[in-house]
Amino acid sequence: AQRVTQPEKLLSVFKGAPVELKCNYSYSGSPELFWYVQYSRQRLQLLLRHISRESIKGFTADLNKGETSFHLKKPFAQEEDSAMYYCGDSGGSNYKLTFGKGTLLTVNP
Amino acid sequence: NAGVTQTPKFRVLKTGQSMTLLCAQDMNHEYMYWYRQDPGMGLRLIHYSVGEGTTAKGEVPDGYNVSRLKKQNFLLGLESAAPSQTSVYFCASSPTISKYEQYFGPGTRLTVT
Repeated sequence: AQRVTQPEKLLSVFKGAPVELKCNYSYSGSPELFWYVQYSRQRLQLLLRHISRESIKGFTADLNKGETSFHLKKPFAQEEDSAMYYCGDSGGSNYKLTFGKGTLLTVNP
Repeated sequence: NAGVTQTPKFRVLKTGQSMTLLCAQDMNHEYMYWYRQDPGMGLRLIHYSVGEGTTAKGEVPDGYNVSRLKKQNFLLGLESAAPSQTSVYFCASSPTISKYEQYFGPGTRLTVT
């Protein structure tokens, strides 16, 4: 069974500081990881996925199989990055996603 | 395109009452999902459907039933509401070819007293 862990429920940083949201997975097969974001009063939306190796809104995430991690990083946080972030995995399934419990990021001015 | 819509947006129920949440999508997506979002618990899959006429149980299906009579609609039913079902419910859909990208509705906030 796949399991996704986000160890931090809350994360607070100051504007301009680097930010890292942690995500660890335990799927024994080939993980297919992603990050979703939910801004205040907006719908949950896909931020990025590891297979595309993209950078969205300055965020990047690298799959580290040795550490079984997929941490989300941004070198300089902005106030508009304040949101709930969910890490997830779809490994082993063609249509189901398993989400972590989420991390609420607050970027202070 | 309206995307994914959910009806109603808010509802307060008394214990034992029943209700149906409606999810509709106009993107011709094959897959549809119902999640509940609780503080500290994240998003948990209740039921899902891989096509019209099909449904399957997710992680937390107890106390809920679903139906997918039409491709564009996915209904979530609570036959006898309990306070533990107080939550925010999200519907989502995804096309066959993109399993990562689910399109979410705005959510329904349900309170059971």
